[in-house]
Amino acid sequence: AQKITQTQPGMFVQEKEAVTLDCTYDTSDQSYGLFWYKQPSSGEMIFLIYQGSYDEQNATEGRYSLNFQKARKSANLVISASQLGDSAMYFCAMRGPTTSGTYKYIFGTGTRLKVLA
Amino acid sequence: DAGITQSPRHKVTETGTPVTLRCHQTENHRYMYWYRQDPGHGLRLIHYSYGVKDTDKGEVSDGYSVSRSKTEDFLLTLESATSSQTSVYFCAISEYRGITEAFFGQGTRLTVV
Repeated sequence: AQKITQTQPGMFVQEKEAVTLDCTYDTSDQSYGLFWYKQPSSGEMIFLIYQGSYDEQNATEGRYSLNFQKARKSANLVISASQLGDSAMYFCAMRGPTTSGTYKYIFGTGTRLKVLA
Repeated sequence: DAGITQSPRHKVTETGTPVTLRCHQTENHRYMYWYRQDPGHGLRLIHYSYGVKDTDKGEVSDGYSVSRSKTEDFLLTLESATSSQTSVYFCAISEYRGITEAFFGQGTRLTVV
């Protein structure tokens, strides 16, 4: 069965510092995608970054990078130079095939990040 | 922004009444999903659709049904609402091919009293 685990319910980081949010996953599939979403207090889900299972290089999008370690089944999100606006809930997700050949996304329980001035 | 809208955005209903939430997309994406978000549980998949009239259950499908009679609309029905179904409900859409992200609606806050 597919599973996403986020073990950090909450984290603090000082403004301008870097922070790593942990995500581990479990799947027996070879082809899958890993995603990170941000949910600010306003409630919308904002896509940040993704990594395909066959991608050898870590994905980067501006201040976001995804530290993908396939053998360890981890897909940590690194935010560099944290800003006050980064304070939000962050969700790790995986898209993979089902036994019936369809696709679904499963999510972790989230990490609430607070950036301190 | 992906064209996906949920209605209503907020609803208060009484225990035992039926409730239908609507998700409408203008992107012509094949896949549509319904999730519920609860503190400590993240987003949990209720049902999803991989085409018109093609649906499947997620991990928390009990007490919910769905229908998709058109590509653009995916309806979630609570046949007889219970207080445990008080939650924030999100609809999401995605393309079929490739490793692509899901796009989310704004969410619907449902309170069952």
